[in-house]
Amino acid sequence: AQTVTQSQPEMSVQEAETVTLSCTYDTSESDYYLFWYKQPPSRQMILVIRQEAYKQQNATENRFSVNFQKAAKSFSLKISDSQLGDAAMYFCAYRRETGANNLFFGTGTRLTVIP
Amino acid sequence: DTAVSQTPKYLVTQMGNDKSIKCEQNLGHDTMYWYKQDSKKFLKIMFSYNNKELIINETVPNRFSPKSPDKAHLNLHINSLELGDSAVYFCASSQVIQGPQYFGPGTRLTVL
Repeated sequence: AQTVTQSQPEMSVQEAETVTLSCTYDTSESDYYLFWYKQPPSRQMILVIRQEAYKQQNATENRFSVNFQKAAKSFSLKISDSQLGDAAMYFCAYRRETGANNLFFGTGTRLTVIP
Repeated sequence: DTAVSQTPKYLVTQMGNDKSIKCEQNLGHDTMYWYKQDSKKFLKIMFSYNNKELIINETVPNRFSPKSPDKAHLNLHINSLELGDSAVYFCASSQVIQGPQYFGPGTRLTVL
């Protein structure tokens, strides 16, 4: 069974600084997708970034980048130049490439941005 | 022009009642989902439909019945509501089964 672990229930970062959120996962599959979702107080789940397991290059979306370590089954999210609007719950998620397409979520990390 | 919309946003009801949550997506996606987020913020899949056909049905009580009248809609009907059903329910959609999922704003259900 796939499991996703986020070991940091809460993190804080100073505005304009950089923060890294950790995520590890367990799977026996070789092909899969990994995602980071952001959930602000509005509750909406917003896709931040995604990574295909077959790609060696780490995904990047503006100030958001990932460090994907397939052998270690690690998928951390780096937020650069943190902004107040980045404050939210961040969820790491896993999905198989074939078959059942549902997302398996971690328990989330609450990020606070300090002005 | 919201991509994935849910109604209502908030739902407060008594134990034993029957209620429905509606979901609509205007993205032209083929696949839709229902997730449940409990009080500890844990998100878990409930159902997934592709082209109006059920493809995932996790261990969910029979009191929960999804209905997909067309590809753009996936409604969730809940019978005989229980206290433990209180949660935030998220609808999501993806263009194809393996595509990235886009979530609706969530419906906070409170059962008294």
